[in-house]
Amino acid sequence: AAGVIQSPRHLIKEKRETATLKCYPIPRHDTVYWYQQGPGQDPQFLISFYEKMQSDKGSIPDRFSAQQFSDYHSELNMSSLELGDSALYFCASSLGSGGQETQYFGPGTRLLVL
Amino acid sequence: AQKVTQAQTEISVVEKEDVTLDCVYETRDTTYYLFWYKQPPSGELVFLIRRNSFDEQNEISGRYSWNFQKSTSSFNFTITASQVVDSAVYFCALSEATGSGGSNYKLTFGKGTLLTVNP
Repeated sequence: AAGVIQSPRHLIKEKRETATLKCYPIPRHDTVYWYQQGPGQDPQFLISFYEKMQSDKGSIPDRFSAQQFSDYHSELNMSSLELGDSALYFCASSLGSGGQETQYFGPGTRLLVL
Repeated sequence: AQKVTQAQTEISVVEKEDVTLDCVYETRDTTYYLFWYKQPPSGELVFLIRRNSFDEQNEISGRYSWNFQKSTSSFNFTITASQVVDSAVYFCALSEATGSGGSNYKLTFGKGTLLTVNP
């Protein structure tokens, strides 16, 4: 079965640079979530989209923005990168935005900021 | 606020032992959903099980079983006859309604339990 695709899988950036992470949800899934997982930490919710509209925002810095496109893929844009942004970024998708819907996670993008 | 507590930070067992991972949650919602995810050393998050607050039936899937007890707000996970491939971080998560309409959901994770199964 098709899974969530994230690209790139690994990314190395310098401080103050920008980065764009991409997420392709499971086919027919209309809801996308972004999570950030720092080293040794649990995943933290950043932002979510349902049917191409932002549905909620969590602890996402103002330097970050995201959107969901007409084909339901999503991009997380990160600017003025800081050392503390180094983390594993997960995208998850679900069919519908209800709490009963299982969120299936992609393999993650490992971002290292030097 | 909703909260998920996994009191066991690390557990180490020898292959073929049974092991139980504890999860205790707090919520004011009457309808809620609980999940377990596995994160092997390769880093991906693998969905294991979903349980809603109305269904307290225990579930068994192969060597995995889950015990949901609403009275104690616990959703524990047992691996029977553990194997080396079970070595991973296991996260318990609670689906939490967000947004003004309460129709959007995010996952709140526990801190995770690192399970090491030694040969």
